[in-house]
Amino acid sequence: GAGVSQSPSNKVTEKGKDVELRCDPISGHTALYWYRQSLGQGLEFLIYFQGNSAPDKSGLPSDRFSAERTGGSVSTLTIQRTQQEDSAVYLCASSLGQGAEAFFGQGTRLTVV
Amino acid sequence: DAKTTQPPSMDCAEGRAANLPCNHSTISGNEYVYWYRQIHSQGPQYIIHGLKNNETNEMASLIITEDRKSSTLILPHATLRDTAVYYCIVRVANYGGSQGNLIFGKGTKLSVKP
Repeated sequence: GAGVSQSPSNKVTEKGKDVELRCDPISGHTALYWYRQSLGQGLEFLIYFQGNSAPDKSGLPSDRFSAERTGGSVSTLTIQRTQQEDSAVYLCASSLGQGAEAFFGQGTRLTVV
Repeated sequence: DAKTTQPPSMDCAEGRAANLPCNHSTISGNEYVYWYRQIHSQGPQYIIHGLKNNETNEMASLIITEDRKSSTLILPHATLRDTAVYYCIVRVANYGGSQGNLIFGKGTKLSVKP
């Protein structure tokens, strides 16, 4: 596709359930970022993939959060045993390289009830 | 620690220039200054970036001081659609390696008023 695609666009889940959020970056982009944004708050960095380098996981808030990037393309962010405080918009971005312009998807709005 | 300091909010009259300041006194020699903006309910959008020379594109101009410790983003003729949160970010811009992560601060909320 022409831009970064995220799915689902909205997800409602029950507390304690696991969720998977998907990000399809722009083809050829080697850098991929995940952020979350709670209502009215700024962007909180979660994890960053750059080519074949070890990902920067320093922003993951707990061990319930994990992410992988298969084949240097699609990425999945997994949240285990979801909690209400996990409710937020999860944004994915990709760039041609780590110095290049980053393009953002429209995000996945996660609601934990 | 935040690498940049921006005012939390600013107002601008429609049609006038909006000048958004950013302080980055600890910027390293290999770090660029990037600007993004986030319009309500949308993902952030890249605006412009620069190293030490002033830059201009179809969206904005970026003025970087000679000592590189501060910069100003200029929207020459602000419109109501420019109302957004503007983020100033410093980061390494070299290919490869694990440096150069894109970390957002709190930004400046720009309100363009009619």
